[in-house]
Amino acid sequence: DAKTTQPPSMDCAEGRAANLPCNHSTISGNEYVYWYRQIHSQGPQYIIHGLKNNETNEMASLIITEDRKSSTLILPHATLRDTAVYYCIGNPQAGTALIFGKGTTLSVSS
Amino acid sequence: KAGVTQTPRYLIKTRGQQVTLSCSPISGHRSVSWYQQTPGQGLQFLFEYFSETQRNKGNFPGRFSGRQFSNSRSEMNVSTLELGDSALYLCASSFGSGRPRFNEQFFGPGTRLTVL
Repeated sequence: DAKTTQPPSMDCAEGRAANLPCNHSTISGNEYVYWYRQIHSQGPQYIIHGLKNNETNEMASLIITEDRKSSTLILPHATLRDTAVYYCIGNPQAGTALIFGKGTTLSVSS
Repeated sequence: KAGVTQTPRYLIKTRGQQVTLSCSPISGHRSVSWYQQTPGQGLQFLFEYFSETQRNKGNFPGRFSGRQFSNSRSEMNVSTLELGDSALYLCASSFGSGRPRFNEQFFGPGTRLTVL
């Protein structure tokens, strides 16, 4: 599984876009990038995943660089409820073991 | 559709005892994974069961074991409890097939285990 590096913390004003970076320079060709978040005292929640192309769903957008060495999770209009720890994970296509790092603590304030 | 359920939600045990935690996956999901979360070590993967077979295993001692039943429900057992086993134990379910979308894991609320 790819080792990922994320900043320990970030701040964002409510209503603004939150851009959370992740470095995964050791990612292999068949490894997808997954993003999860964990709101305090709850189980982690799946957000989005991608391989090469940019992806968007109702929660967020995922931008992956062409060399696949890094990616950015974008929450377009952050709300106070988006305050959480965000985890970027590299995971083989056939594997289901998620190896969590320390993640980024995103604090959204009004 | 009902989410992943875990029972019990809270548990207090003493050192040396054993404990069994239960996880009911989302209907149709065949994979159940277990994780331990502590303030010091973060979220760590314990093991994964798929169709009643352990498919992946993390780096935990043999005191931690699990099983999966034919209805995909899973139990996790910890024997000879130690103080360091105090943690939030999370289970997650997924379809578990090779396609990436089926590896989206849905987590339960966790069981908070306190060992005294």
